[in-house]
Amino acid sequence: DTAVSQTPKYLVTQMGNDKSIKCEQNLGHDTMYWYKQDSKKFLKIMFSYNNKELIINETVPNRFSPKSPDKAHLNLHINSLELGDSAVYFCASSPGRSGPGTGELFFGEGSRLTVL
Amino acid sequence: GENVEQHPSTLSVQEGDSAVIKCTYSDSASNYFPWYKQELGKGPQLIIDIRSNVGEKKDQRIAVTLNKTAKHFSLHITETQPEDSAVYFCAASKGYSTLTFGKGTMLLVSP
Repeated sequence: DTAVSQTPKYLVTQMGNDKSIKCEQNLGHDTMYWYKQDSKKFLKIMFSYNNKELIINETVPNRFSPKSPDKAHLNLHINSLELGDSAVYFCASSPGRSGPGTGELFFGEGSRLTVL
Repeated sequence: GENVEQHPSTLSVQEGDSAVIKCTYSDSASNYFPWYKQELGKGPQLIIDIRSNVGEKKDQRIAVTLNKTAKHFSLHITETQPEDSAVYFCAASKGYSTLTFGKGTMLLVSP
C-alpha cells in the first residue's frame, strides 16, 4: 500500500492552461506539504497544512492554490501555467509539524510537470 | 531565515570506499538535522537524523556527526555499494519551523 500517493505522475501541458495535482496519504498524519524540486534538484517548501489548516505559505505566486478537503488529502491547483513552473512537485506528510520529535517527512513519488 | 550549504554537489567513489558529505547551517538555534536519500524517479526518504543534544549517531554503514560550535554536520557512508548511488540531501530546522534543505549531493558508486 502506497503511503503517500500523488497523481498524475507526469503532466505535459501548454502555457496558460490550468492543471491540478492530487495527493492522498493513508498514514493518519496531521500535516501535509507541497514541495517543488527544480531541474537542479533543489527542494523548496511551497505550502504546509496541519489538519486542513494552512500553516506555511512560502512566497509562491497566487496562481498556485492548495486545497485540503480533509487531513488525508492535499491538492495543488495551478492557474495560467508558465514555462518556469516546469518542475517535479512532491507531496509529503508528517505526524506533526516538521522538526525534532515530530517524526520524518514521508514523500510521494513526485509529479513531473512540463509546461510547453 | 536558515541557510544550508551542502558540499560536494557530486561525489564519485569506488565500491567499498567511504563517502563523506558535509553541510553547514547559518542559524545557531537550529536543533534538528535529518538526511534524506532520493533514488532516481522516487521521492526523498529519511535515512538518519540527529538532534542538537547529540554529537554523533550511527546506523549500520551510515553515521552522522554534528559540530554545533562550527555549525556543521556530516554524513558518512562506509563500505559503499552501488545501491547507495542516489542524491543525498541534508536539512536543518528549529522548533516547529519548516525544514530547510541543502542543494543535494549526487553520489555515484562504481562497481
